[in-house]
Amino acid sequence: EPEVTQTPSHQVTQMGQEVILRCVPISNHLYFYWYRQILGQKVEFLVSFYNNEISEKSEIFDDQFSVERPDGSNFTLKIRSTKLEDSAMYFCASSETLADTQYFGPGTRLTVL
Amino acid sequence: GQNIDQPTEMTATEGAIVQINCTYQTSGFNGLFWYQQHAGEAPTFLSYNVLDGLEEKGRFSSFLSRSKGYSYLLLKELQMKDSASYLCAVRSTGFQKLVFGTGTRLLVSP
Repeated sequence: EPEVTQTPSHQVTQMGQEVILRCVPISNHLYFYWYRQILGQKVEFLVSFYNNEISEKSEIFDDQFSVERPDGSNFTLKIRSTKLEDSAMYFCASSETLADTQYFGPGTRLTVL
Repeated sequence: GQNIDQPTEMTATEGAIVQINCTYQTSGFNGLFWYQQHAGEAPTFLSYNVLDGLEEKGRFSSFLSRSKGYSYLLLKELQMKDSASYLCAVRSTGFQKLVFGTGTRLLVSP
């Protein structure tokens, strides 16, 4: 069964450093998403991406964040200058159409020191 | 805005049936999803309701009443591996994002 994959599984970085989290969505899916989950809290939406542009974003997704689809398979989330409060599990998800179920990847645990 | 409420924690016994409730408030409802999440892992899709009524999938069923802003997830013949958090998420018309509740942690004991 096709699945969303994410790398790395765990990323440790120093405050102020840039990080890039990578995702490979399910191959025939057209909508891509990033969510995050701070430890012990609920899953929060960050951004959705369709047809090579951001289609929706939350207030969390400020100028420090960016997304890109650099090639036909990868979808990345960049945090330019990490803060301590960016420490969280970051989940990538994809769906075939807007109305379909979103399938989540295994996540990247980001730890900012 | 949207508001989603679920109980924080529930306990049940192996082999039993448990019902996890979710109430929501949103304008322009466009679907409710249930996900299972084991600690430290990704949410895994369980079920989707957009029309009123019951959707059954093996040991899991989900019910929706749009007029009441209410859904439940029913788990039958509980197994130890069902110990996990169960997340209720709502999508609204015109939005792609899912808004998640805080999740219900279910502990299944022998």
